[in-house]
Amino acid sequence: DAGITQSPRHKVTETGTPVTLRCHQTENHRYMYWYRQDPGHGLRLIHYSYGVKDTDKGEVSDGYSVSRSKTEDFLLTLESATSSQTSVYFCAISERLAGVEDNEQFFGPGTRLTVL
Amino acid sequence: AQKVTQAQTEISVVEKEDVTLDCVYETRDTTYYLFWYKQPPSGELVFLIRRNSFDEQNEISGRYSWNFQKSTSSFNFTITASQVVDSAVYFCALSEGSMDSNYQLIWGAGTKLIIKP
Repeated sequence: DAGITQSPRHKVTETGTPVTLRCHQTENHRYMYWYRQDPGHGLRLIHYSYGVKDTDKGEVSDGYSVSRSKTEDFLLTLESATSSQTSVYFCAISERLAGVEDNEQFFGPGTRLTVL
Repeated sequence: AQKVTQAQTEISVVEKEDVTLDCVYETRDTTYYLFWYKQPPSGELVFLIRRNSFDEQNEISGRYSWNFQKSTSSFNFTITASQVVDSAVYFCALSEGSMDSNYQLIWGAGTKLIIKP
């Protein structure tokens, strides 16, 4: 199994509060991703990173920001959480970018976030 | 536009039956990659297989097999002699080999597989 951890694993917070989720990998993979998973929507990409300090937006990036100051850590921040951001958040890593060989993504265990 | 369709929302079979999960994809690229992932009730996402568009060989891994057919744009997954532990949601995904795709994975909605003892 790929060495990917997410913290916290569960969080309940209130609308309007900032929240930061952390993804940590021990695989030294270049690419990291944040997804959210909601019933009826499957997995949707929020942001991804292709290196330290290099990030880009995904399909559903509004209301989220990310940072990557070290290869092993990728942070997802909800500046002011809303109830619509209640979801399960998955971090993923890959050695290569989607669209080339050896590009499969490996996922962390997920973080269940509830915004009241 | 790229798209992945898993038309079967939920499938329920009795243990030991064979079951096939369908995946149909749309892409304009000639180079692309297809994936299957498993999400058991515990919630983690487990990578099962990657198939490249230029390799139409079918793949078998134990009780799992995958049938890739470019002519019908399908990448179906069969579990032979199903077991209760196979109960999970299975996702099919696509990535295209062009910069226009932003190199993102396109996910199907998933098929929930229930194996009854």
